[in-house]
Amino acid sequence: RKEVEQDPGPFNVPEGATVAFNCTYSNSASQSFFWYRQDCRKEPKLLMSVYSSGNEDGRFTAQLNRASQYISLLIRDSKLSDSATYLCVVNRGYSTLTFGKGTMLLVSP
Amino acid sequence: DAGVTQSPTHLIKTRGQQVTLRCSPKSGHDTVSWYQQALGQGPQFIFQYYEEEERQRGNFPDRFSGHQFPNYSSELNVNALLLGDSALYLCASSFMADNSPLHFGNGTRLTVT
Repeated sequence: RKEVEQDPGPFNVPEGATVAFNCTYSNSASQSFFWYRQDCRKEPKLLMSVYSSGNEDGRFTAQLNRASQYISLLIRDSKLSDSATYLCVVNRGYSTLTFGKGTMLLVSP
Repeated sequence: DAGVTQSPTHLIKTRGQQVTLRCSPKSGHDTVSWYQQALGQGPQFIFQYYEEEERQRGNFPDRFSGHQFPNYSSELNVNALLLGDSALYLCASSFMADNSPLHFGNGTRLTVT
């Protein structure tokens, strides 16, 4: 079993749609959790940290369920500029990150 | 305030050669981590340097080695290059004490022919 598993993509959605990404992790000792966004041929960029209490940043909502070892990202009112690959990331400690394979999102007009 | 900078941006090598990639961390950061990202995959952790020593290592062969200098900058060396080493190599820096999220440089795209 892979350490971090994400929905296979790509997700094709129209502008304005709501889209949800799911992720599971296998190491229960993982310390912190993030979503990164990666544009084509660019470096990953931190989108948001994920907390058990849930956190929201504008149109983006992230949620962590430690008991189920499950992480989610919800994007509301999708924009064309949201088209990218979304990477689920787990911190094993000392800032050593384990990345999922990523899920590509394509938002069309 | 410069972020993480990497050089070169692109590199083409042939099988069997050796390559050195360079990284300067974000100002104030003392820890450098290296990742390899093959096409269509997420980044994979290679190793991490702190206080000029390798502190953590991922599942990569000894052909991958590194160094950190007193100014916190770092090098990644790969010997005896294989075609499968073709990838985007990403450097990230952080401050060891606060376990904060990593911020990545633009990466070096290595092509082995």
